[in-house]
Amino acid sequence: GDSVTQMEGPVTLSEEAFLTINCTYTATGYPSLFWYVQYPGEGLQLLLKATKADDKGSNKGFEATYRKETTSFHLEKGSVQVSDSAVYFCALSERGGSEKLVFGKGTKLTVNP
Amino acid sequence: DVKVTQSSRYLVKRTGEKVFLECVQDMDHENMFWYRQDPGLGLRLIYFSYDVKMKEKGDIPEGYSVSREKKERFSLILESASTNQTSMYLCASGSSGTGYQPQHFGDGTRLSIL
Repeated sequence: GDSVTQMEGPVTLSEEAFLTINCTYTATGYPSLFWYVQYPGEGLQLLLKATKADDKGSNKGFEATYRKETTSFHLEKGSVQVSDSAVYFCALSERGGSEKLVFGKGTKLTVNP
Repeated sequence: DVKVTQSSRYLVKRTGEKVFLECVQDMDHENMFWYRQDPGLGLRLIYFSYDVKMKEKGDIPEGYSVSREKKERFSLILESASTNQTSMYLCASGSSGTGYQPQHFGDGTRLSIL
């Protein structure tokens, strides 16, 4: 079946550092790919998405590019802030974002001032 | 903004009790989902529903059931609660047929079974 593998962390960075969280996937078809973020005490929020190969999703300074050849969707940000501290989940959906999501196990990011 | 409301943020119940977790969405979404979130395991799908009175099993349905009598409401039922069901439960909703729209999540219910 479909699966998502991501860096498990935890990841600890200083403010203004560069962030990469790796995510790779296995899918039988052509999935849509997502990054969700969970701030402390809250549910998940969509951070960004990409629906086809070579698409780049971006939001709040975060970016991820859908790489079909390497089955990857790595999350990057050039300069993290303390407010980015959260848990980040990579996910895929075979039939668009409203259908079932398959999640990675999540990566906890802590950014220190 | 889409709002998904879960009835309780924290809940403490006893082993063997029947437990109801309620979820309501206000965006007329067709699809609704219940997930369980555990440290080191991420989110796992328990049940989902594509329409009123329709339900399908997810990856870990054992010990759970669901009810969807109205489009906006999706209930998760623990028939006889056990300690291994202590967890964070997340409800989500999403539209269908529009192509690549995200799921929207509630804030979660942290359930403890004693």
